[in-house]
Amino acid sequence: QVTLKESGPVLVKPTETLTLTCTVSGSSLSNARMGVGWIRQPPGKALEWLAHISPDDEKSYSTSLKSRLTISKDTSKSQVVLTMTNMDPVDTATFYCARGPPGYGGYDSWGQGTLVTVSS
Amino acid sequence: DIQMTQSPSTLSASVGDRVTITCRASQSVSSWLAWFQQRPGKAPKLLIHKASSLESGVPSRFSGSGSGTEFTLTISSLQPDDFATYYCQQYNSYSWTFGQGTKVEIK
Repeated sequence: QVTLKESGPVLVKPTETLTLTCTVSGSSLSNARMGVGWIRQPPGKALEWLAHISPDDEKSYSTSLKSRLTISKDTSKSQVVLTMTNMDPVDTATFYCARGPPGYGGYDSWGQGTLVTVSS
Repeated sequence: DIQMTQSPSTLSASVGDRVTITCRASQSVSSWLAWFQQRPGKAPKLLIHKASSLESGVPSRFSGSGSGTEFTLTISSLQPDDFATYYCQQYNSYSWTFGQGTKVEIK
């Protein structure tokens, strides 16, 4: 059974760059089912898809945030990393990573989420 | 970008009620539509993928239908565990979009 866990800072200052890590256990990131996405959710608001990396390293990004996001993976460490530049208080949210198998259409396993607050 | 619109935003219902939530896409997504349940403080849980395929372990009272631009999630007999927020999500050409959510409340 695959599990995912997010880690990173709980507090960042405006204009700083956020770096989040998703550590995967129970499956290799080279496994054909191991597409991984990042999704965020501001307090009391809806889910917002941010980025996705496929098993063959194809990367895709939210159109509205593309200029600020970078997704990458380190298969040897079983980690997927998301960076978001120029953080603003409106970016305060719980960030989730989740497995999205190719050809499945949905994210079927989720991490517990990590709350990131942007404040000076 | 494909936009997803859910209705209603809030739904008040009683235990045992049949509940239907609608999700509309701004353009066709074929059957690439998933439904999630989210309880407060918890990560979303996938209920249905590819519009109508029930995830393993999800009760059979949940069902999904539709294709193209219009989809529905139906709960045949609402149970106490089902009071939560539900989201639809489309997948198209390596891009995903969530709907704004439907909160199912106790009447």
